Amino acid sequence: ETGVTQTPRHLVMGMTNKKSLKCEQHLGHNAMYWYKQSAKKPLELMFVYNFKEQTENNSVPSRFSPECPNSSHLFLHLHTLQPEDSALYLCASSQWDRGSDTQYFGPGTRLTVL
Amino acid sequence: DQQVKQNSPSLSVQEGRISILNCDYTNSMFDYFLWYKKYPAEGPTFLISISSIKDKNEDGRFTVFLNKSAKHLSLHIVPSQPGDSAVYFCAAIWSGNEKLTFGTGTRLTIIP
Repeated sequence: ETGVTQTPRHLVMGMTNKKSLKCEQHLGHNAMYWYKQSAKKPLELMFVYNFKEQTENNSVPSRFSPECPNSSHLFLHLHTLQPEDSALYLCASSQWDRGSDTQYFGPGTRLTVL
Repeated sequence: DQQVKQNSPSLSVQEGRISILNCDYTNSMFDYFLWYKKYPAEGPTFLISISSIKDKNEDGRFTVFLNKSAKHLSLHIVPSQPGDSAVYFCAAIWSGNEKLTFGTGTRLTIIP
């Protein structure tokens, strides 16, 4: 596996379900990110993990819970979601060196909440 | 408040011609800018970037121009090819902050 991988690629869940999205990066980076992409809206940054520590949480509802057990893996735990949470969830990684960084994205998980 | 704006949601260009995608930003703290390309059902792919100390960066068919006084950047693709059909996102960042701020994207369609 190379680059950034995400599983599952598609997920349909009910509002009462609990599920998790997984991201793995094979680039040796030290920062990982979760983004949400909704139709006709800018990509929204949700969480940033730098050296396994969460450094930013853009006022994301608590029904989204991130976990970063090591610098290569990132999870997004989902519970009691709302239909408006249906979107493409993208994971990215970068080598954070205090400045310009290029983020490399995974293919995304298309989430549908019924 | 949208700090990075792509005012054209879509653009159609004849194959072989030049494609020009535009992006405006409002935050003068931004000092590094990136363009990403995204195909359906895939994550964005990094395309080209430019630092605020430059006004132009070129990589093959892709050139990015930065006009800091106007807070404007543009991506030129020449010649345009059918494989360039995708959504293009402009993004900006400033030193000391990991957060990329993205525009809404422009869908580029290359007409054979």
